[in-house]
Amino acid sequence: AQSVTQLDSQVPVFEEAPVELRCNYSSSVSVYLFWYVQYPNQGLQLLLKYLSGSTLVKGINGFEAEFNKSQTSFHLRKPSVHISDTAEYFCAVSLAHGNTPLVFGKGTRLSVIA
Amino acid sequence: KAGVTQTPRYLIKTRGQQVTLSCSPISGHRSVSWYQQTPGQGLQFLFEYFSETQRNKGNFPGRFSGRQFSNSRSEMNVSTLELGDSALYLCASSLASGIGNEQYFGPGTRLTVT
Repeated sequence: AQSVTQLDSQVPVFEEAPVELRCNYSSSVSVYLFWYVQYPNQGLQLLLKYLSGSTLVKGINGFEAEFNKSQTSFHLRKPSVHISDTAEYFCAVSLAHGNTPLVFGKGTRLSVIA
Repeated sequence: KAGVTQTPRYLIKTRGQQVTLSCSPISGHRSVSWYQQTPGQGLQFLFEYFSETQRNKGNFPGRFSGRQFSNSRSEMNVSTLELGDSALYLCASSLASGIGNEQYFGPGTRLTVT
């Protein structure tokens, strides 16, 4: 079965600094990968997804992620964060074949400091 | 287009009681998935319904059940509530079943069991 590890539970970063949120997955077969963001008292919103094709995926709000098959990673990056990026970020994986549900990581809380 | 709505938003129940949560998907979406979110276990998949049929089920006891109506609205029921059932229950809808279809999440129902 597939699994996801988000290596940092909390990441504090100053406003306008770059950030990288790390995600590693475990699967013996092809996968789809996702990053979601959850703002306080809200549901999850899809930031970006990798299904196939280019390994560099661009998402909303200036975020991007790179799929690295050899390192089984899908790290999320943003070159310059804003206060409004403060939220919980979840990496998720699903098998590329078959109707399998999403498996989520435990989440990374990004705190942007003014 | 209205988003996914969940009712009620907050609920307090006593151990041993049962509870029913409701989810109205985005208009035109036929797939509804349910997730449980807790600080300890993170986000865990409960089940998915598509065209009134359960397509997938997570690893939860039989006390957790769901159904979907012909208008795609879905309900989940938890019987004989336990303290550990306290969680945020999220509903997500998508156009069709299958993980390639983007899921849109509702704000969740926060259930507290005392």
